[in-house]
Amino acid sequence: EVQLLESGGGLVQPGGSLRLSCTASGFTFNNYALSWVRQAPGRGLEWVSTISGNGDSTFYTDSVKGRFTISRDSSKSTLYLQMNSLRAEDTAVYYCAKDLCSRSGGSCYFFDYWGQGTLVSVTS
Amino acid sequence: EIVLTQSPATLSLSPGERATLSCRASQSVNTYLAWYQQKPGQAPRLLIYDASNRATGIPARFSGSGSGTDFTLTISSLEPEDFAVYYCQQRSNWPKTFGQGTKVEIK
Repeated sequence: EVQLLESGGGLVQPGGSLRLSCTASGFTFNNYALSWVRQAPGRGLEWVSTISGNGDSTFYTDSVKGRFTISRDSSKSTLYLQMNSLRAEDTAVYYCAKDLCSRSGGSCYFFDYWGQGTLVSVTS
Repeated sequence: EIVLTQSPATLSLSPGERATLSCRASQSVNTYLAWYQQKPGQAPRLLIYDASNRATGIPARFSGSGSGTDFTLTISSLEPEDFAVYYCQQRSNWPKTFGQGTKVEIK
């Protein structure tokens, strides 16, 4: 059974930092791209960042470029999101999500499994 | 950035009725479009990918159609558990983008 378990969310002041983690199980970790998708309170879904299965390629939405860094550790089957210079508009539930397609066939950047989410609240 | 516009914002229907949800892209996404369902307090669930392919375990009452810029999600006969918010998402270009959602509520 595929499972994704996020952690690391919390309350932080503007300008502060947090590192989110997502521990994965139930699939071959290196075979799939992984992504972070966020949802501000009462709002819709927003794609944040994606990392390829082998970690060589990373992608970011413009609003987080230069502030957030996505990474993965295959030895721990864990995805990370380092968030620096946090702003009030980064307040959201952050989900990690697994790609539907394995990299052997070409990642397709649709998300078939999601974690339960971790809440990041940026406020003074 | 490709903007996805979903309509209507809210759809009020009764169980057993047919639901038709629309997603329009600001430029062609070929058939690289997915639909997700989200219930309150839960993560989204993938329903449809590549415009018309049902994801694993998704009931046959859910179907998707369309290509280019106009897409439709149809729920043939609403079950009580189908009342939720539905999002479309494109994978054609970076950044990957979602529509703003359609809420299907009980009439």
